[in-house]
Parts: sequence; structure tokens; C-alpha cells
Amino acid sequence: GNSVTQMEGPVTLSEEAFLTINCTYTATGYPSLFWYVQYPGEGLQLLLKATKADDKGSNKGFEATYRKETTSFHLEKGSVQVSDSAVYFCALKHSGNTGKLIFGQGTTLQVKP
Amino acid sequence: NAGVTQTPKFQVLKTGQSMTLQCAQDMNHEYMSWYRQDPGMGLRLIHYSVGAGITDQGEVPNGYNVSRSTTEDFPLRLLSAAPSQTSVYFCASSYDLAGEETQYFGPGTRLLVL
Repeated sequence: GNSVTQMEGPVTLSEEAFLTINCTYTATGYPSLFWYVQYPGEGLQLLLKATKADDKGSNKGFEATYRKETTSFHLEKGSVQVSDSAVYFCALKHSGNTGKLIFGQGTTLQVKP
Repeated sequence: NAGVTQTPKFQVLKTGQSMTLQCAQDMNHEYMSWYRQDPGMGLRLIHYSVGAGITDQGEVPNGYNVSRSTTEDFPLRLLSAAPSQTSVYFCASSYDLAGEETQYFGPGTRLLVL
């Protein structure tokens, strides 16, 4: 079946460090891929998305590239800030499966000053 | 626009009690979904709806009922609460535009079943 696997957390970085959060998926066909962020005490917000192979999603300095050959969608940021501390979720949606996202388990990021 | 709203924010129930978690959206989105979030498990889909009058089961539907009488509202009912239903519940809405769909989430309801 379809699934999403994220790297185990928590991830602890110093401010201005480089961030990578790994995400791999199992799915047939060509799903859309998403990264959502959840700040403490809040709901999920869409961070970025990619809908086809080799697409790069980007927002707020974060980037992720849809790699079909490695079934991956790793999240990266060149210089993290304390305000980036949150839980990050990778998710996929099959075309036609409206209203149905499959999430990874989430990765907690803590950035220290 | 208020977006997706959920009430209550927090609720404590005793085992066997029933309650309804409310969800409303003012974006005229066709699709609405309910997820539960548990530590280490991400979000799992409970039920979803592709339009008024149409609902279907997700990954973990047991113990939950839904209905969609209007486009705006999508309540989630717990008929007889169990401690295993202690979780954070998120409602989401979305629409499909040229094959692209993005879900918008509410702030969540934290439920504790004793």
C-alpha cells in the first residue's frame, strides 16, 4: 500500500545550521507530495508541495525536490532560525484520491540560539 | 475568511460518553476530512467527504460516525468514547483545481477519554 517514511526525530540544530529532513514514499503511479509544518499548539500549515517528478517546491527558504527515481522528497533549508522550531510532516496524495492525505510520522525540529 | 474552524478546543470525556466534534469551513471547499494525530504515528485519516451527502471511511474509522448535510459543516461523532480515542483531532478542507489539491487544516481538538 501507499506509505510515507520520515527520518526519526527529534532533530536539534544550532541557529544558521543546514537542515535536511529525509522523506521517502511508497506509492504506485505519480502522487503529489507535500510538506506540512505544525508550530506548537497549532494546526498544520502547508509549507510546500510538488505535483510531478523533478518539480521543486519552495517556501520561506525551505526546498524539496520530487525524486521519482529514489522515491524521495527530502526537505532542506540552508540556514535555520529559532522560529523554524516545529514538527514537520511529509505527506502524499494520489491523483483522484481527493480529501485523502497519507502522512509520515512527523519530525520534530528544535533550533537553539 | 475564517478558514477551517473546530470546536471545542479541548474536551474531557468519561468512557462510554458520546460527543460531537464540530468542523466548519467558509471557503466553499468540496472536500472535507477528519484526521487523528497520535505521538509517533503522524496523522491518520478517519473519514472524509467529497461533497454534501457523500462520506466514506478512511484508515481508522471504527468508533466514529460522520455526516455531511451541508458543504460548510462536517461533524465527527463519537458514539461511545474509549480511552483509545484519546488524541488530537484535525479537520481539513480542500478543493481540486486542475488536478491540484491542497488541504487546509483547522486548529485541532484535543480529546482526553478517561
